Amino acid sequence: DQQVKQNSPSLSVQEGRISILNCDYTNSMFDYFLWYKKYPAEGPTFLISISSIKDKNEDGRFTVFLNKSAKHLSLHIVPSQPGDSAVYFCAASARSNSGYALNFGKGTSLLVTP
Amino acid sequence: NAGVMQNPRHLVRRRGQEARLRCSPVKGHSHVYWYRQLPEEGLKFMVYLQKENIIDESGMPKERFSAEFPKEGPSILRIQQVVRGDSAAYFCASSLADSNQPQHFGDGTRLSIL
Repeated sequence: DQQVKQNSPSLSVQEGRISILNCDYTNSMFDYFLWYKKYPAEGPTFLISISSIKDKNEDGRFTVFLNKSAKHLSLHIVPSQPGDSAVYFCAASARSNSGYALNFGKGTSLLVTP
Repeated sequence: NAGVMQNPRHLVRRRGQEARLRCSPVKGHSHVYWYRQLPEEGLKFMVYLQKENIIDESGMPKERFSAEFPKEGPSILRIQQVVRGDSAAYFCASSLADSNQPQHFGDGTRLSIL
């Protein structure tokens, strides 16, 4: 069962514009959410996170918004740059028998065109 | 200042052979997670270990797969009698403590079964 869903497999955005990546989850026990960026043949790199007690977290060009009632989060990248082209994974966790094991979405491939 | 180190980066095995994947966590990290990524999929949790202890292996197939994290040395994920369906990218992540902290990933081992 896929508890974290990224319904857009791909997204194309022009350089300088805003990129918005979306993520939905089903498990109301999740209390920590993360975005990872992944290049081919490399491991995921942590980008930004948000705790369930917040609704927004900002770090430079990256902002994550959390809507708990809708079980939805989004990652905004502004302005987008060609180097942002990668696969972005949304992940969520909650304290469980497996520690804080991450539940990942299937990823959204972002292409930023010059 | 090494991050998570995984080796080998690529591993080719014939059906029926054994595959052994190694993971050295970030220095000082005592919590290790293994994940598997099948093509076009997100990462899926396999096993959570602390030094000398398997905490949760609920995401790992019960047969042929085993994992360890000895007091000295890297964590090992072992797959016996490999089959074609074991072909995937295997990622290891480590964290400092059993808490909500971003996990740091290695670059993975890409296992191919002939």
